[in-house]
Amino acid sequence: AQSVTQLDSHVSVSEGTPVLLRCNYSSSYSPSLFWYVQHPNKGLQLLLKYTSAATLVKGINGFEAEFKKSETSFHLTKPSAHMSDAAEYFCVVSVSDMRFGAGTRLTVKP
Amino acid sequence: SQTIHQWPATLVQPVGSPLSLECTVEGTSNPNLYWYRQAAGRGLQLLFYSVGIGQISSEVPQNLSASRPQDRQFILSSKKLLLSDSGFYLCACRLAGRYNEQFFGPGTRLTVL
Repeated sequence: AQSVTQLDSHVSVSEGTPVLLRCNYSSSYSPSLFWYVQHPNKGLQLLLKYTSAATLVKGINGFEAEFKKSETSFHLTKPSAHMSDAAEYFCVVSVSDMRFGAGTRLTVKP
Repeated sequence: SQTIHQWPATLVQPVGSPLSLECTVEGTSNPNLYWYRQAAGRGLQLLFYSVGIGQISSEVPQNLSASRPQDRQFILSSKKLLLSDSGFYLCACRLAGRYNEQFFGPGTRLTVL
């Protein structure tokens, strides 16, 4: 069985400052891990995915995430936040099916 | 590349009325299809998934049902809506050979009054 925990329900940053969205997972097998972004009243868009290749994964819009097996973490980062990054972010773990985290709402202040 | 269409985009229905939400997929064949619901302030809840025509698995017992009459068509229905059915409904397909990655449609906003 697998599960995922997003450690913050809401993160607020100022424009131009770094973003850190935290995600921890639990899995009996080597998982695939994903980050999705959802803007208001829109579907989910894939940001990036880890599939047992490089542990540092680069995604769209300047986001990246690092798979740390020892810490069972897959935190999402971005060096400099933009106003357009304001959205809901979901961490997902997948072995046989997908398990979604509860989501983290990112607010970006001007 | 695959495209998911959901219809309608928004819907306002009275309590007790029927429901039919449609999802169609283009650009892929024999996909696994999924219905999710997002209630206000909550994450995604998997409602149904289908691995083929006429094959439906229910994750959560409730007054909703799903059907897959064609390979790339997935329908979510209800005979009588409840207030608690309000939410944002997302259809998704699983891409074959893509590590279980799912691709999502634009969603349908349902408000039950």
